[in-house]
Parts: sequence; C-alpha cells; structure tokens
Amino acid sequence: DQQVKQNSPSLSVQEGRISILNCDYTNSMFDYFLWYKKYPAEGPTFLISISSIKDKNEDGRFTVFLNKSAKHLSLHIVPSQPGDSAVYFCAARVNQAGTALIFGKGTTLSVSS
Amino acid sequence: KAGVTQTPRYLIKTRGQQVTLSCSPISGHRSVSWYQQTPGQGLQFLFEYFSETQRNKGNFPGRFSGRQFSNSRSEMNVSTLELGDSALYLCASSLGTGKREQYFGPGTRLTVT
Repeated sequence: DQQVKQNSPSLSVQEGRISILNCDYTNSMFDYFLWYKKYPAEGPTFLISISSIKDKNEDGRFTVFLNKSAKHLSLHIVPSQPGDSAVYFCAARVNQAGTALIFGKGTTLSVSS
Repeated sequence: KAGVTQTPRYLIKTRGQQVTLSCSPISGHRSVSWYQQTPGQGLQFLFEYFSETQRNKGNFPGRFSGRQFSNSRSEMNVSTLELGDSALYLCASSLGTGKREQYFGPGTRLTVT
C-alpha cells in the first residue's frame, strides 16, 4: 500500500507561470516531509522540506504547504523556469528514529518557454 | 565539500551472481541510506545505517544486505541476483541527527541478464 502518493504523473506549465505539484499521504505519524528534484542519470537533489508542526515553508521561488487535516502537501514554484523541467518527488520520513524516506512515484514537470 | 560518491556507476551481472556496491558519504555525515529505483515501483527504501548500526530496514528480501564501516562508508550486497534486481541503486547520506535532509549520489545502474 502506497503511503505517499503523487497522483499526477505529469504537469506542463508555461515559463513565468506558477507550477503546483501535489502529494497525499496516508500515515498520520509522518512528521517531516521533503521535496526532491531529479534529472535523468542523476541522483535526486534536495529542494525544500517542512516539519509537521508548520503549514508553510519558503525558499526563494519554492514554497511548500502542508495541510495535516487533509494529509496533503503541495510544492509551488513561482515563477517557473525551463530549467525547472525535471521529475519531482515528494517524500516523508519513515520514523523519528532515523532519516530514511518513503517516496512518491514522482511528477514530471515540463516548463515551456 | 565533495558530494556522495558511488562506485561503480554501471554494472552488468548474470542471474545467480552476487554484487557489491559502494558508497562514500559527504564528509561528516554519519547516516547512509540505500534506495532502489525502478520504472514500475519508483524509489524504494532498502536500509539505513548510522554509526555502523542498521537503524531502519525496508521491505526487501534477505538477499539484500548492507554494512557501514567506521569511516561511514557503506556497502550493499545483493546475492543470487534475479532479473528483477535490475535497477538504479541510490545511496544518500545525512548528518543523521538534527537536520533530516538526505543528499544523494549519482547511483549505480545494475543490469542483470
């Protein structure tokens, strides 16, 4: 059973507009969430994270929102740039004893100029 | 600071053989996690080591094992290879305490024929 779900396999956005990537989770015990970006033939790159005690975290063009009651988080990229085209993974920490992560299956973002 | 390094980058093995993959974490990082990425299943957690002890384990058969050395370098071993073990194997390191972000290496592409 998938505990972290990214229901949209792909998203296409025009340069300069907002990209919104969504993620749902089922385990209410998850306490830390992260977003990673992955280019082909490379390992995932850490983007931004959020603790379950917060509902928003910003870092430059990237903002992550967490809605605990809905078990939903989203990543907003504003403004979107062609270099943002990649696969985006949502992840949740397995347990508080470590740093291991459970990943969603990813959303491929395409930003056109 | 040098990033996470993994060797070898590419590997071709035959069914029934065994394989050992190596990971050197970022200097100062004490936690190493291993993940398997396949097109169908996405990124799946294998195990996490912290200070030479396995701290978390994913849902993989006993053919998959790992260890961590006193210098935090880690190896994972897969015995009796099956065709389904063909995947990208990613290693990620983190401080292990406090900050929870993991930083990934480029991966080892294993092909089993």
